[in-house]
Amino acid sequence: DVKVTQSSRYLVKRTGEKVFLECVQDMDHENMFWYRQDPGLGLRLIYFSYDVKMKEKGDIPEGYSVSREKKERFSLILESASTNQTSMYLCASNYETGGNYGYTFGSGTRLTVV
Amino acid sequence: DQQVKQNSPSLSVQEGRISILNCDYTNSMFDYFLWYKKYPAEGPTFLISISSIKDKNEDGRFTVFLNKSAKHLSLHIVPSQPGDSAVYFCAAKGRIGTPLVFGKGTRLSVIA
Repeated sequence: DVKVTQSSRYLVKRTGEKVFLECVQDMDHENMFWYRQDPGLGLRLIYFSYDVKMKEKGDIPEGYSVSREKKERFSLILESASTNQTSMYLCASNYETGGNYGYTFGSGTRLTVV
Repeated sequence: DQQVKQNSPSLSVQEGRISILNCDYTNSMFDYFLWYKKYPAEGPTFLISISSIKDKNEDGRFTVFLNKSAKHLSLHIVPSQPGDSAVYFCAAKGRIGTPLVFGKGTRLSVIA
């Protein structure tokens, strides 16, 4: 069964801390994505990557950075956590071939910044 | 500017009846559409999709209808079951190499 694994289900961090959210996929997918989900705002794209060492800004990249050193791993970094970054973070991956455009999502990381 | 709109934040339906979730889009370059279902504390899971060359796609209790001229799609669930209670996201795809664009979601509650 194909999988996207996010390292933590729940995290509590302090304001100003540097936070790393890790995501690993075992499907040899080229593309990986980071979203955050907030009530009333839906899924908002933070960053995405279409290849190793490549990254593209999504709709809300401010306060975040990413790293993709290996194909299977895509890390989201909160440089200096703030309370408005309290959210559910979702990682996804896909491989656009044969008209298959759907994403496989991880289970999410619920981050609370205090 | 929202390119994919789900104008109903919530919907309540009786068990056994039909649930109809709606989605509108503004970008005429979108040519592939997907529905995802999300339970609390879990990631979204793929439900059903439709290409712009079709106007209907069916999978068991789930049917998606696409009206390209109106830039509108809908998801029908018949019959609705309590386990269908979740948030449903509509998503649209443009040209190759661009990410999916998601709507804000509709929370469906199926009441027994």
